[in-house]
Amino acid sequence: AQSVSQHNHHVILSEAASLELGCNYSYGGTVNLFWYVQYPGQHLQLLLKYFSGDPLVKGIKGFEAEFIKSKFSFNLRKPSVQWSDTAEYFCAVKGGLRAAGNKLTFGGGTRVLVKP
Amino acid sequence: NAGVTQTPKFRILKIGQSMTLQCTQDMNHNYMYWYRQDPGMGLKLIYYSVGAGITDKGEVPNGYNVSRSTTEDFPLRLELAAPSQTSVYFCASSLGTGRQNIQYFGAGTRLSVL
Repeated sequence: AQSVSQHNHHVILSEAASLELGCNYSYGGTVNLFWYVQYPGQHLQLLLKYFSGDPLVKGIKGFEAEFIKSKFSFNLRKPSVQWSDTAEYFCAVKGGLRAAGNKLTFGGGTRVLVKP
Repeated sequence: NAGVTQTPKFRILKIGQSMTLQCTQDMNHNYMYWYRQDPGMGLKLIYYSVGAGITDKGEVPNGYNVSRSTTEDFPLRLELAAPSQTSVYFCASSLGTGRQNIQYFGAGTRLSVL
């Protein structure tokens, strides 16, 4: 079974600092990759996605992620965070072109706290 | 568009009680999913459906049942609630395959079983 690992459970940083969240997955074939964000008290929202093409993907709110196939990684970055980026971030993977039900496997999440 | 709507938002159950978590979507999506979210564990898939009348188990189906009689609705049933089912439940839907496989989530149902 495939798995998704997010290395940091909690990250605390100050406004204007740079953010990088790690995500590694175990599936060896073609993958679709996603980052979702959950702001306090809200539901999950899609930040960005990768299906194919340019491995550097830009999403909403200044976030970007880089797919490195050789490292099975899809790390999320933001050059300068704001207090409003305080949230929990989830990496998700759909493994294979015909994954049954187009199921996603989620990582355990990273809680990010941005201090004003 | 309302998107994915879940009811109720909060519920407290006693051990052994039953309840149904409702989920409806107005985007005419074929695929629907139920997840539970436990602290530090991410989201675990309970059941999913690829269309009306078709459902299948996810990673953690024990203690739950689902049905999909219409495209819009995908209720999740807990027959005999147990403390281990205390969690936040999210329903999601997606249109289909490939680039259409973006899952849209509801606001969640926070369930406590005491």
